[in-house]
Amino acid sequence: GEDVEQSLFLSVREGDSSVINCTYTDSSSTYLYWYKQEPGAGLQLLTYIFSNMDMKQDQRLTVLLNKKDKHLSLRIADTQTGDSAIYFCAETPTGGGNKLTFGTGTQLKVEL
Amino acid sequence: DTAVSQTPKYLVTQMGNDKSIKCEQNLGHDTMYWYKQDSKKFLKIMFSYNNKELIINETVPNRFSPKSPDKAHLNLHINSLELGDSAVYFCASSPGSWGAEAFFGQGTRLTVV
Repeated sequence: GEDVEQSLFLSVREGDSSVINCTYTDSSSTYLYWYKQEPGAGLQLLTYIFSNMDMKQDQRLTVLLNKKDKHLSLRIADTQTGDSAIYFCAETPTGGGNKLTFGTGTQLKVEL
Repeated sequence: DTAVSQTPKYLVTQMGNDKSIKCEQNLGHDTMYWYKQDSKKFLKIMFSYNNKELIINETVPNRFSPKSPDKAHLNLHINSLELGDSAVYFCASSPGSWGAEAFFGQGTRLTVV
């Protein structure tokens, strides 16, 4: 199956860390991604991780991958109001070539 | 310059009409896609083209017909529009056959009344 699940909402205070979680079912996934969608806009690729990695850090973003549990997370340090958006995890399964399967999306709200 | 551009941004039309959405990318990418985002923000791939050739067709009704006149363009034509077609349609492109570096357009909000 190709189900990718995320919690729908997350609310954090400005300056705190945000952790957005994602679970997937396709164990053959080779690449896993995080995209950001601001209101009325398209999707912006934030970062991605190869399935043979456990962690990837890119400035304020940290991606953790637990392949055994099929769990992916995105941590945003020092969350800012500009981080308010919908965050989608996505996967590209082996043999899926150029097909992205998206999660259900998590709406992040950053409060002052 | 916009990397992936779609027109129109908004489209309101009556049931039964035929409409087209255009997409162009100036990134020199080989692969282009159409995704549909429903009212619950769920995103699903519809089509993928690689160098003008159809690669993926994800159980989309045949009222939807993509056309790729060249690798920089992927248009979406929809016949006999239905209420359930109301959604935001996103065009995207990527340099190779992996979706990793997919660049998305701003979306076309289609409303069928």
